[in-house]
Amino acid sequence: GNSVTQMEGPVTLSEEAFLTINCTYTATGYPSLFWYVQYPGEGLQLLLKATKADDKGSNKGFEATYRKETTSFHLEKGSVQVSDSAVYFCALSVWESGNTGKLIFGQGTTLQVKP
Amino acid sequence: GAVVSQHPSRVICKSGTSVKIECRSLDFQATTMFWYRQFPKKSLMLMATSNEGSKATYEQGVEKDKFLINHASLTLSTLTVTSAHPEDSSFYICSARDWLAGGRSTDTQYFGPGTRLTVL
Repeated sequence: GNSVTQMEGPVTLSEEAFLTINCTYTATGYPSLFWYVQYPGEGLQLLLKATKADDKGSNKGFEATYRKETTSFHLEKGSVQVSDSAVYFCALSVWESGNTGKLIFGQGTTLQVKP
Repeated sequence: GAVVSQHPSRVICKSGTSVKIECRSLDFQATTMFWYRQFPKKSLMLMATSNEGSKATYEQGVEKDKFLINHASLTLSTLTVTSAHPEDSSFYICSARDWLAGGRSTDTQYFGPGTRLTVL
């Protein structure tokens, strides 16, 4: 089946620290991979995506590379800010017969950045 | 671009009443919309896939008679929680897929801000 596993949080970092949030997946087809961010009390915002192996998605200093050989899509940022504090969700969508490309989410990782 | 709105953002109702939540794609057409439910400190659970002009497809374990979905136009889908009970209290989030060009190259989903439902 299709699934996404994220590292458990919360992750607590000091401002300007390096961030890595691990994400691995299993998929029966050829997935597109996504990172979404959710700020407190809000819906999800697309942070970045990659649609094929070796693609690198990037946005707002965050980046993630689609690694087919390790089935991973780890999120990284070189220098986090307090405003990056949020819940981060890794997700995949797979197109299969009868499947309209619905998203499958990881459990979410809470990031807390302290000044 | 790619903005999705939800209304209301917050609703409190009495047990046994029905509540309707609207999801609108404001600047694009969405042939497919999705409804999720999110419990505190939990991931999103897909409830159903809503296709414009046809019946919604519900995920296993979701009661279609309790959670009525109508996708009457390319920019509007509604979720009605019928005869709501306290266990239905949750954060409901919709998403819409921008399907302008068709095909998997545009399979990004854009999410609404969510609706907090509290059933007393």
